[in-house]
Amino acid sequence: EAQVTQNPRYLITVTGKKLTVTCSQNMNHEYMSWYRQDPGLGLRQIYYSMNVEVTDKGDVPEGYKVSRKEKRNFPLILESPSPNQTSLYFCASSLWATGQNTEAFFGQGTRLTVV
Amino acid sequence: AQKITQTQPGMFVQEKEAVTLDCTYDTSDQSYGLFWYKQPSSGEMIFLIYQGSYDEQNATEGRYSLNFQKARKSANLVISASQLGDSAMYFCAMEAGNNDMRFGAGTRLTVKP
Repeated sequence: EAQVTQNPRYLITVTGKKLTVTCSQNMNHEYMSWYRQDPGLGLRQIYYSMNVEVTDKGDVPEGYKVSRKEKRNFPLILESPSPNQTSLYFCASSLWATGQNTEAFFGQGTRLTVV
Repeated sequence: AQKITQTQPGMFVQEKEAVTLDCTYDTSDQSYGLFWYKQPSSGEMIFLIYQGSYDEQNATEGRYSLNFQKARKSANLVISASQLGDSAMYFCAMEAGNNDMRFGAGTRLTVKP
């Protein structure tokens, strides 16, 4: 089954304690991205990657890191989480193409609370 | 810069009636794609419909259709014969340039019995 898998689904942590949210896709997609969803703001892109070892900042990259060492995995790293990073996070993957239906497949979401 | 605007934070519709959710976009790219996603209360993101910038006909998928007006830069979602299960958040999104996908703020649709 084609899917994007995020872990964990829920996480409560304390300010300053490093954490990683994993994301894995089994569709051989080139493009992967991370979003955070906050009420009234929709989904805002944090980082994206067009292929292995190629990553770039989205709209709200501050406080986050990513890596793309393998095509299927795109972990999101919070080196020193702060309460303003409390949010619902989504990982997504899609084919890298233009002029075509590059439907994004989303993970189930990770609800992060930083206290 | 690309921008997606959804001006309706919330909408109500009577069951079995049609509803239109508004979406306008801004991009300087000639080639782009427009998407609608549904997010039920369970939280997952469900792809509904896609419209390419060069598609001459409006996209349709079952009860969903996309009213694409390129000159006005609008891509409204029309849901016909609303059902109670259509109650959800709906997001308009645009992919342009380097495959970067941007989302609007969303519209919360409530279907009343």
